[in-house]
Amino acid sequence: ELKVEQNPLFLSMQEGKNYTIYCNYSTTSDRLYWYRQDPGKSLESLFVLLSNGAVKQEGRLMASLDTKARLSTLHITAAVHDLSATYFCAVDPPLNYGGATNKLIFGTGTLLAVQP
Amino acid sequence: GAVVSQHPSRVICKSGTSVKIECRSLDFQATTMFWYRQFPKQSLMLMATSNEGSKATYEQGVEKDKFLINHASLTLSTLTVTSAHPEDSSFYICSAPGRGNQPQHFGDGTRLSIL
Repeated sequence: ELKVEQNPLFLSMQEGKNYTIYCNYSTTSDRLYWYRQDPGKSLESLFVLLSNGAVKQEGRLMASLDTKARLSTLHITAAVHDLSATYFCAVDPPLNYGGATNKLIFGTGTLLAVQP
Repeated sequence: GAVVSQHPSRVICKSGTSVKIECRSLDFQATTMFWYRQFPKQSLMLMATSNEGSKATYEQGVEKDKFLINHASLTLSTLTVTSAHPEDSSFYICSAPGRGNQPQHFGDGTRLSIL
């Protein structure tokens, strides 16, 4: 059974600080996604990571993927209050014979609170 | 703009009522759609995969007779929560696959509250 774990589960940080959220998954996958969820809202896609060593950046967020370690990171640089939200990673488990299921197994989520 | 439309956005009803939630793909065809459930302060859990023209595939532990899924056209999937009870209160979200490796398109979600 594929498991996707994130840590920390809750992160309170001050504006201007840097921090990293970690996403570990338990089986081979070459497709990993990061999403943001605001309270009471649905999901907003942030990043798609498709290969080992992939790195993507958008504004103050940068995501990376290490498929050998089964680890993805979401790095926050100089946090601002607007980044407060819950962040989820999600893995698309592979089919036994290759290809992808297109199903998503979500991580536990990280609630980020950026304090002024 | 939104590529997946989900409604209603919120439902409040009495215990024992059946509730239907619609998920539509806009401007594209979706032979597959996904239904997720999210309890407060928890992650999203995949409930089932909706397949156009055939039976839905349910995840382990999801009651197929409780959560009826119909995918009768290439742009519409529906989830019916039958005889809903307070424990069925949750946030239900549908999605459609993106093209190739693109991320899934999520609907805005339906907050279901059973009194």
